[in-house]
Amino acid sequence: NAGVTQTPKFQVLKTGQSMTLQCAQDMNHNSMYWYRQDPGMGLRLIYYSASEGTTDKGEVPNGYNVSRLNKREFSLRLESAAPSQTSVYFCASRGRTAGPEAFFGQGTRLTVV
Amino acid sequence: LAKTTQPISMDSYEGQEVNITCSHNNIATNDYITWYQQFPSQGPRFIIQGYKTKVTNEVASLFIPADRKSSTLSLPRVSLSDTAVYYCLVGDQVSGNTGKLIFGQGTTLQVKP
Repeated sequence: NAGVTQTPKFQVLKTGQSMTLQCAQDMNHNSMYWYRQDPGMGLRLIYYSASEGTTDKGEVPNGYNVSRLNKREFSLRLESAAPSQTSVYFCASRGRTAGPEAFFGQGTRLTVV
Repeated sequence: LAKTTQPISMDSYEGQEVNITCSHNNIATNDYITWYQQFPSQGPRFIIQGYKTKVTNEVASLFIPADRKSSTLSLPRVSLSDTAVYYCLVGDQVSGNTGKLIFGQGTTLQVKP
């Protein structure tokens, strides 16, 4: 049981390049999330998807787009990367359980130069 | 989600008991209180959840007073490996509610030898 899998683990981009961060979960969870975490800071929600076919903005959505491809997969796209998007990105999922228990991937460390 | 307030940082020494308090004055009737732990370079992981009174597991205890406007995470006899960021979240547990999760800044616990 892999849980939440993120790819890639590391990425370096040049300013203006685009890329897609992939996330997949095998727990049959309805909701999936994308967060970013800057050094010394807490997690900030970028986008989330409460169910297949729906997506909503979080706290810091500017500069990002998302796709809930199916129930398992939720991707995050940077159309034109900027140095301010240098961060660690975490994907998470949760199901229909009591309370906000979520499961996280190991993160993608992105550097934009 | 109800807004939570917790200390930015705390220091402790090995073998001591650590109590981290979280304030959530506008907690809703259906809200559970959940705590996460995040080690450096890892995604957060769930450690404990409660609704009222006291909950204990192998990692921690959670104390919730009758008015539920605050909660205290208690870590018994901490070790260096308990150095981490601890997040308090309050969220709906209504069946089917899988909306956004906002983590906030968290409390950075530094355990010293």
